[in-house]
Amino acid sequence: AQRVTQPEKLLSVFKGAPVELKCNYSYSGSPELFWYVQYSRQRLQLLLRHISRESIKGFTADLNKGETSFHLKKPFAQEEDSAMYYCALFSGGYNKLIFGAGTRLAVHP
Amino acid sequence: EAGVTQFPSHSVIEKGQTVTLRCDPISGHDNLYWYRRVMGKEIKFLLHFVKESKQDESGMPNNRFLAERTGGTYSTLKVQPAELEDSGVYFCASSPGSMKYNEQFFGPGTRLTVL
Repeated sequence: AQRVTQPEKLLSVFKGAPVELKCNYSYSGSPELFWYVQYSRQRLQLLLRHISRESIKGFTADLNKGETSFHLKKPFAQEEDSAMYYCALFSGGYNKLIFGAGTRLAVHP
Repeated sequence: EAGVTQFPSHSVIEKGQTVTLRCDPISGHDNLYWYRRVMGKEIKFLLHFVKESKQDESGMPNNRFLAERTGGTYSTLKVQPAELEDSGVYFCASSPGSMKYNEQFFGPGTRLTVL
């Protein structure tokens, strides 16, 4: 079964601390994974995708096929990073996204 | 360029009533998706249109839900009759073309509350 698991509902850190939002997936085949973010009173938007291997707003995520993980990391959290983060798996030919339950990141001053 | 728009932003109805949600995708986007987030749970896929055709409606919960996309432009999602468990946020997303994957652009969502 295709599934995305985000084990933490809430992650609370202080400004400047490192952040790691966990994401594990279940998928037969080569997965395409994404992180979406929803800031307060804004719409859901793409943060980054694994195939791009890019760093956006200081965030990176590495696909680990052995551990079936796609954790989102940032070395120094900022208050403006506070948001809801969703890990998502692209379900190939069916062209739909499978989302995890989301992790709320709260960065305190 | 205008993004995906959804109407209304909020809807409060009583159990048994009918509600119609509307989504206007980004102009020129052939793909239109509906998703739903029920309180405390993950965002779940409902269905996918390619132009006016339903490509995949495997996520539609039951026959109380009817989605249409006449003319391949905007889409409506009707819930009739609404039940308490239909409460949640309904998102619409659109993406261009027929490539294997194109970024899906999301609308702001419609928050539906069924009392």
